Amino acid sequence: GAVVSQHPSWVICKSGTSVKIECRSLDFQATTMFWYRQFPKQSLMLMATSNEGSKATYEQGVEKDKFLINHASLTLSTLTVTSAHPEDSSFYICSARDPQGASTEAFFGQGTRLTVV
Amino acid sequence: GEDVEQSLFLSVREGDSSVINCTYTDSSSTYLYWYKQEPGAGLQLLTYIFSNMDMKQDQRLTVLLNKKDKHLSLRIADTQTGDSAIYFCAEADDKIIFGKGTRLHILP
Repeated sequence: GAVVSQHPSWVICKSGTSVKIECRSLDFQATTMFWYRQFPKQSLMLMATSNEGSKATYEQGVEKDKFLINHASLTLSTLTVTSAHPEDSSFYICSARDPQGASTEAFFGQGTRLTVV
Repeated sequence: GEDVEQSLFLSVREGDSSVINCTYTDSSSTYLYWYKQEPGAGLQLLTYIFSNMDMKQDQRLTVLLNKKDKHLSLRIADTQTGDSAIYFCAEADDKIIFGKGTRLHILP
């Protein structure tokens, strides 16, 4: 089946620095990718919808200047956490749909655990 | 707005059937999914059902959909220790909305 690769799997960064997370669809073109955040013992929270070639659509309460999303190609979306702080520590997961697939099942990356120290 | 609700915890004896329930609010959902998350891992798609279906069976997994009541269930037959995980119900139309997940605990 289709594969979504997310990189890195984990990252530790200092407070105040920026971190970029990549999400790639390996064998299909994804016009739309989704970025989620999971807090410990809580559900996934949709942060934003990333659309190729246009601005991302952010969910209410998500700071677009802090979580920069770029979907420059049909196989790559990036999430940059700018000026990271300890409260940004979380598990970030991307997903993509294969519009040409037999169903519109969503494929997920393996997630990125971000720890800000 | 859209919402997906599921119980947070389920404990089942090994060999018994597990039934995880979920309710959703968006009647325009086209697909409903069940995902499995093992510790430290990303989500793994278990199965999905189209909104015009009532039931779908895939080996040990049976999904039942009551569209009138907006109720979705996942039955795992002959539950094994490897089934221990968090199971997320999700509804999707133009975007995917997840429930909080049900932690399935297997008793020996």
